[in-house]
Amino acid sequence: DTGVSQNPRHKITKRGQNVTFRCDPISEHNRLYWYRQTLGQGPEFLTYFQNEAQLEKSRLLSDRFSAERPKGSFSTLEIQRTEQGDSAMYLCASSSDRTNEKLFFGSGTQLSVL
Amino acid sequence: ILNVEQSPQSLHVQEGDSTNFTCSFPSSNFYALHWYRWETAKSPEALFVMTLNGDEKKKGRISATLNTKEGYSYLYIKGSQPEDSATYLCAFKAAGNKLTFGGGTRVLVKP
Repeated sequence: DTGVSQNPRHKITKRGQNVTFRCDPISEHNRLYWYRQTLGQGPEFLTYFQNEAQLEKSRLLSDRFSAERPKGSFSTLEIQRTEQGDSAMYLCASSSDRTNEKLFFGSGTQLSVL
Repeated sequence: ILNVEQSPQSLHVQEGDSTNFTCSFPSSNFYALHWYRWETAKSPEALFVMTLNGDEKKKGRISATLNTKEGYSYLYIKGSQPEDSATYLCAFKAAGNKLTFGGGTRVLVKP
């Protein structure tokens, strides 16, 4: 068990570019979450998968955001046509019934949109 | 939109002193209440998952209580140490599987 892994750790991009982040959850965990955190705030829910099915997506999320979890393993989060307001820490977490559904977090991807 | 509020937003504690802070959440449709500790440059780490009204959990010098009827949880740190400096996050889970986080309480323990 190597924990939840996120790549890249940091991403700097220009406004209007597309970016993609990857999350590798703990292998036996069937649930995977994406959260976004900005300075001074708690993590904000973005989307959630159970196995490969995307069960919920935040209404706050625009159509520029999309997430996938093919085959119920790793997940990707893509942001199209990035805006400066997208600058944040993007956190991935996984959980399972065996862990009483407590979340195990990755180190996050820090996105800066210039 | 679920309101999960934490207070205070930040606090300074002298080493050796005890402290506590609050998480308030909706009292209806309760499923679970989580507490996480987030140290600088690290990932958030789970402290407790609480599901029953009146639950009390303890991990070393840190403990938590839960009141689901009135919608609040307290986290206590006994004899604070510098390594307790972190942001403490609570998260509320209603029926369904989305965890809604509060804004966190940033604790700084001064030697």
